[in-house]
Amino acid sequence: NAGVTQTPKFRILKIGQSMTLQCTQDMNHNYMYWYRQDPGMGLKLIYYSVGAGITDKGEVPNGYNVSRSTTEDFPLRLELAAPSQTSVYFCASSDAGTGWGYTFGSGTRLTVV
Amino acid sequence: GQSLEQPSEVTAVEGAIVQINCTYQTSGFYGLSWYQQHDGGAPTFLSYNGLDGLEETGRFSSFLSRSDSYGYLLLQELQMKDSASYFCAVSLQAGTALIFGKGTTLSVSS
Repeated sequence: NAGVTQTPKFRILKIGQSMTLQCTQDMNHNYMYWYRQDPGMGLKLIYYSVGAGITDKGEVPNGYNVSRSTTEDFPLRLELAAPSQTSVYFCASSDAGTGWGYTFGSGTRLTVV
Repeated sequence: GQSLEQPSEVTAVEGAIVQINCTYQTSGFYGLSWYQQHDGGAPTFLSYNGLDGLEETGRFSSFLSRSDSYGYLLLQELQMKDSASYFCAVSLQAGTALIFGKGTTLSVSS
């Protein structure tokens, strides 16, 4: 049972480059989320989805885009990377059947130089 | 805006009991959750309180008082492996995304 899988684990981007962070879950959860975590800080919500085809902005959506074409996948797109996007990115999923507890992926550590 | 307040650091010795408090001011409230995160790792779900009172799961317990906008995580019989960051998180409605506090770093020494 893989849970939530994120790729890549590490990435260095140059300013202005773009990339997609991948997130896949195999628990058939309807709800999926993207958070970023800066050093010594809590997690801030970027985007979330309550089901395939439905996405909504969180607290810090600027500079990011998402899509949810299937229940399993919830990729996060960074356009025109900036140093302020240097962070650790976590994808998570949840559902009512699990008491809404989140299952997190192992994270993607992104550095923009 | 939404705010969750928890202490930034707590220290304790092995075998002791420690309580990590969380107070919240949010535009709504559905439940309070707690997550553990070891250095460099992913957060893992510890507990959830939707109603007032105490929830117990092994060495960990969590408490909620909705009228006081307050909750705490109680860790008993501390072990070195409990050294980690602990986050409280509020859900405003069922199924909505969690709002996380900034976390409390717990250091357990022998």
